[in-house]
Amino acid sequence: GDSVTQMEGPVTLSEEAFLTINCTYTATGYPSLFWYVQYPGEGLQLLLKATKADDKGSNKGFEATYRKETTSFHLEKGSVQVSDSAVYFCALSVYESGGSEKLVFGKGTKLTVNP
Amino acid sequence: ETGVTQTPRHLVMGMTNKKSLKCEQHLGHNAMYWYKQSAKKPLELMFVYSLEERVENNSVPSRFSPECPNSSHLFLHLHTLQPEDSALYLCASSQDGQGVLNEQFFGPGTRLTVL
Repeated sequence: GDSVTQMEGPVTLSEEAFLTINCTYTATGYPSLFWYVQYPGEGLQLLLKATKADDKGSNKGFEATYRKETTSFHLEKGSVQVSDSAVYFCALSVYESGGSEKLVFGKGTKLTVNP
Repeated sequence: ETGVTQTPRHLVMGMTNKKSLKCEQHLGHNAMYWYKQSAKKPLELMFVYSLEERVENNSVPSRFSPECPNSSHLFLHLHTLQPEDSALYLCASSQDGQGVLNEQFFGPGTRLTVL
């Protein structure tokens, strides 16, 4: 079945460090790919998305490129801030036979950025 | 109120209690979702409602009973729960439409503890 695997956390970085969170997926067909972020005490928020191969999603300095050949969608940021501390979820969307869309999530990676 | 709201934010209940979780979306969406977020496990989709009809029920135990009286409100009725049901329960909504990339907007969640 469809699944998402992302790197185990937690990840701890110093401010201004480079961030990579790996995500790979298994899917039939051509899913859309997402990164969601969950700040402490809050629900998930969409961070960025990509709908087809070679698309690059970007937002708030974060980027991820849809790589069909490696079935990957790694999240990167050149210089992290303390305010980026959160849990990051990679996800893909699939359409069910009934026409509804379903999101399949990875387990999440907790990022802590120290000043 | 804007976005997706959930009440209560925290709930502690015994195994013999009956309680309900409430979700309300103010986005004009036509699809709503219940997810379960447990520690160290991927986000689990529980139920999907589209146009107030249940379109997905992911083998959820009958002690969880959803209700969608209209497109803005979603309830999760709980009875005779088990301690392993303790988790963060997240509600989400989207504008459903086949072939359209539908971002899901999440509420802040209800932290449920079953004693």
